[in-house]
Amino acid sequence: GQQVMQIPQYQHVQEGEDFTTYCNSSTTLSNIQWYKQRPGGHPVFLIQLVKSGEVKKQKRLTFQFGEAKKNSSLHITATQTTDVGTYFCADRTGTASKLTFGTGTRLQVTL
Amino acid sequence: DGGITQSPKYLFRKEGQNVTLSCEQNLNHDAMYWYRQDPGQGLRLIYYSQIVNDFQKGDIAEGYSVSREKKESFPLTVTSAQKNPTAFYLCASSAGARYNEQFFGPGTRLTVL
Repeated sequence: GQQVMQIPQYQHVQEGEDFTTYCNSSTTLSNIQWYKQRPGGHPVFLIQLVKSGEVKKQKRLTFQFGEAKKNSSLHITATQTTDVGTYFCADRTGTASKLTFGTGTRLQVTL
Repeated sequence: DGGITQSPKYLFRKEGQNVTLSCEQNLNHDAMYWYRQDPGQGLRLIYYSQIVNDFQKGDIAEGYSVSREKKESFPLTVTSAQKNPTAFYLCASSAGARYNEQFFGPGTRLTVL
């Protein structure tokens, strides 16, 4: 079946540094959703990318969808302690409304 | 106040007992999902339902069962056949259309002793 891998698994940055997580698939991605899960919490939807090469921004967050639709990335500029959590990408595949989640990247931000 | 509720937040059971986790939504969503999350891991799909009275197995359905008798409710039973039931269980719902995001409940942390 489809495998969606994310790298790195974990990253620790100082507040103010940038952060990027990459989402790679063994098959062509249909459309990518990104979620954030705070420690002890539940995943919360951030954004969806549908078109090849698409770039979307949300304040300090920039989301990209690869030209070949085999990968996606999330970049955070000037991290803050509120960015702490695990970031998941998820691909909506097939005709069903289900998602295949990536392995996640855990971000730790310290002062 | 619309949303998804899961109860209880923490649940303890003895090995060999079946246990049912509750999931209710008042978002009028057609589709509902159950995921399992192990420490430091991603989300794995157990079962999903796109419409009342119909559901499909996800990637790790063995040892679990579900029902969807009402649009608002999608309970998950963890049976004694599930080898490693201790985990964090998340319920989600979506409007069901191809591009809609999933809304998650707060989760139930199940510990089997």
